[in-house]
Amino acid sequence: EPEVTQTPSHQVTQMGQEVILRCVPISNHLYFYWYRQILGQKVEFLVSFYNNEISEKSEIFDDQFSVERPDGSNFTLKIRSTKLEDSAMYFCASQGAVGYTFGSGTRLTVV
Amino acid sequence: RKEVEQDPGPFNVPEGATVAFNCTYSNSASQSFFWYRQDCRKEPKLLMSVYSSGNEDGRFTAQLNRASQYISLLIRDSKLSDSATYLCVVPYGGSQGNLIFGKGTKLSVKP
Repeated sequence: EPEVTQTPSHQVTQMGQEVILRCVPISNHLYFYWYRQILGQKVEFLVSFYNNEISEKSEIFDDQFSVERPDGSNFTLKIRSTKLEDSAMYFCASQGAVGYTFGSGTRLTVV
Repeated sequence: RKEVEQDPGPFNVPEGATVAFNCTYSNSASQSFFWYRQDCRKEPKLLMSVYSSGNEDGRFTAQLNRASQYISLLIRDSKLSDSATYLCVVPYGGSQGNLIFGKGTKLSVKP
């Protein structure tokens, strides 16, 4: 069964550093998303991406965040100058004809 | 404001019990609805989609009441493996819209 792959599974970073979270969506999907889930809280939408550009973003997705599809397979989320409150699970998702598929997530810990 | 509300639980039930979860949503324009299952520290996984009045898949039944903006999930003959958090999810903005998640209802099935 096709799957969305995310790397790394766990990232620890110092406050103020930049991190890049990587995702490989399902190959024939056209819509890509990043969500995050702070421990004990609900899954929150960050950004959607279609046709090589952002189609929608939430108020969480401020100038600290950026997304990129640098080649035909990877979809990345960059977080600049990380803060303690950025610690969360970050899920990538892609959407095809049968709906959304989530990756297994990257646990980001900012110390 | 886009909201999806769920009873957080936890629901503690014995094996074989029938349990029902409720969800209300605020976006009256939503046309499709989803129940996802999330195990601890894992990604959400699609359990059921609901596009009309309801859907049934084995022991799981989802019902939709558009007038009341209410969705339910019924699990019959609960198994130990059903223990998880059940997320009510509503797309915002059409079929390619981002997903709005409820905070989830935690189910614990005991032997």
